[in-house]
Amino acid sequence: KQEVTQIPAALSVPEGENLVLNCSFTDSAIYNLQWFRQDPGKGLTSLLLIQSSQREQTSGRLNASLDKSSGRSTLYIAASQPGDSATYLCAVRGAAGNTGKLIFGQGTTLQVKP
Amino acid sequence: NAGVTQTPKFQVLKTGQSMTLQCAQDMNHNSMYWYRQDPGMGLRLIYYSASEGTTDKGEVPNGYNVSRLNKREFSLRLESAAPSQTSVYFCASSEPRFRDGYGYTFGSGTRLTVV
Repeated sequence: KQEVTQIPAALSVPEGENLVLNCSFTDSAIYNLQWFRQDPGKGLTSLLLIQSSQREQTSGRLNASLDKSSGRSTLYIAASQPGDSATYLCAVRGAAGNTGKLIFGQGTTLQVKP
Repeated sequence: NAGVTQTPKFQVLKTGQSMTLQCAQDMNHNSMYWYRQDPGMGLRLIYYSASEGTTDKGEVPNGYNVSRLNKREFSLRLESAAPSQTSVYFCASSEPRFRDGYGYTFGSGTRLTVV
């Protein structure tokens, strides 16, 4: 059974710092991995999607990497801003089937202080 | 705006009451999903519908039923609500494409409290 773990559960940094969020998964047979952002009381917004054959994806100040063999992904946020404060969730889709089901980690709640 | 619409946004139920959570998407996606989110546990899949006319159980289906009414709508029903079903419920839709991956769109959630 696939399990996804995110460390740390919470993180507080001063504005301007570069930071890394971690995601690990137990079954390396994945189809892709996605990082989502969730603002308080809101739904989830997809940030980056990495296919199993890819090593990283970049969007603006965000860079996500994937090491499938070790079961790890990181989300790197450069020059953090107060507006980056949110909960970040990673989710994996298993390689079998075509249903689109995602297995989520518990999330990392980020606070960027001005 | 295109997206996933969930109703209601908030609901308080008494133990044993029933209710239906509604979800509709206007992106012509084939697949729809119901997740619940509990503190410290991320999102867990309750039921999903890979395409119109099909539904399947997810990780935590007990106490729930679903109906894929048509391609746009996917409802979640609690027949006899229990306090353990207090949670935030999210509906999502996606268009599965092997080559492109999934474009997942989530609704804004329904906060359900069972007392």
